[in-house]
Parts: sequence; C-alpha cells; structure tokens
Amino acid sequence: KAGVTQTPRYLIKTRGQQVTLSCSPISGHRSVSWYQQTPGQGLQFLFEYFSETQRNKGNFPGRFSGRQFSNSRSEMNVSTLELGDSALYLCASSWDGTSDGYTFGSGTRLTVV
Amino acid sequence: QKEVEQNSGPLSVPEGAIASLNCTYSDRVSQSFFWYRQYSGKSPELIMSIYSNGDKEDGRFTAQLNKASQYVSLLIRDSQPSDSATYLCAPNQGGKLIFGQGTELSVKP
Repeated sequence: KAGVTQTPRYLIKTRGQQVTLSCSPISGHRSVSWYQQTPGQGLQFLFEYFSETQRNKGNFPGRFSGRQFSNSRSEMNVSTLELGDSALYLCASSWDGTSDGYTFGSGTRLTVV
Repeated sequence: QKEVEQNSGPLSVPEGAIASLNCTYSDRVSQSFFWYRQYSGKSPELIMSIYSNGDKEDGRFTAQLNKASQYVSLLIRDSQPSDSATYLCAPNQGGKLIFGQGTELSVKP
C-alpha cells in the first residue's frame, strides 16, 4: 500500500513569508503527527491530529499551525518565517496513535533565506 | 534533565558482534515505546515496538522494557554493515513521540 506522502519535497522561502506543507497519510490511518528535525535539536514534536482534532501540541510558537481534513490528509502552516525555521519537516501517520507505531514520510526540506 | 536520553555515540562494533543501545525516559505516562532507525539523508523507519515489560524479539533485534526503571534497550545480534545508522528511541505519550538525540551505530566489516 502507499506510504505517507509529503509535498513538496523541497522549498526555499524568504524571511517573513508563510508556507504550507501537505501530508497524505497511509490509507486508514487517522492520526497524523508533524515533527521538525534539525542537526542541533534533533526530532522535535510539533503537533498531532486525530479525526480532525488537534490532540497533542508541542512547544512551538503560534506561528506553527496545522489542520486535518475529513480524509485524514493534513497540512502544516508556518507564518512569518524566520531563518531558524530552516529544517526538515516530517509527517508521520498511525492508525490511532497509541496501539501502533508511526510511519514517516520522506519529509519536506524547508530553507529560509 | 532531558525527557529521553540515549547512550552517546558513535558506537562502533565489528561485523557479527552484538550492538547494545540504551535509552532512559523521564515520564511515567508512556505506555508504548518505539525504536526507529534513520539512515543519513532518510526519514526514520520503525524497527521495533514494545508495550509490556520484558523482552520482545524480532529477527536479529531484541527490545527490552523496564517501566519501573524507565529504561528501554535495543540489542542487535550479528550486526551487519547495513545496520550502520542512527537509532532513535521514542516513548509514545498518547500520540506524541518524544525522541532521544539518537545513537549513531557504525558496524565495521
């Protein structure tokens, strides 16, 4: 079956702009999580959505937001981009987020200049 | 204190040896625990999950969990050069995975 699909793979944005990243989970998976990965901080949890509701939230500023649609697809938005937002953004999906592990997508590499 | 701590690497073992990766976590909420493998330039790949105290074996991999000690480990038997990667421990707080900094494993032929 198809894995977790993230688009786009690469993005270059300018400081102050906003960006939207997309994630299509594995069919049947209802939980979608987002992570930021940087060399210095490692993998950090952004938020998790389950059945269109944000169930968990990490310690990121309000500029980072997300949503989940009725088909479980999810989007993540970052407004007023800063240089420090340059990172690999990973989406992961799971059937329910508790009884099984998460499968990660290939990620979106965001560069802010 | 970090929420999840893993033994610092890099860990270097000869081919065919046992690689031992350790992880301690600070919360008492997590009920499931995962080990991910991440090759350079790739996304994390789930290799083991464990939910109960004790051992769980899957091929060359054995995960061990001790909730009382807040400790989880991963043993890789008969290590192969293809096992060279960063291994990430992740307790699951109800849909929120908290990752350790990872342990880089290098298996020398």
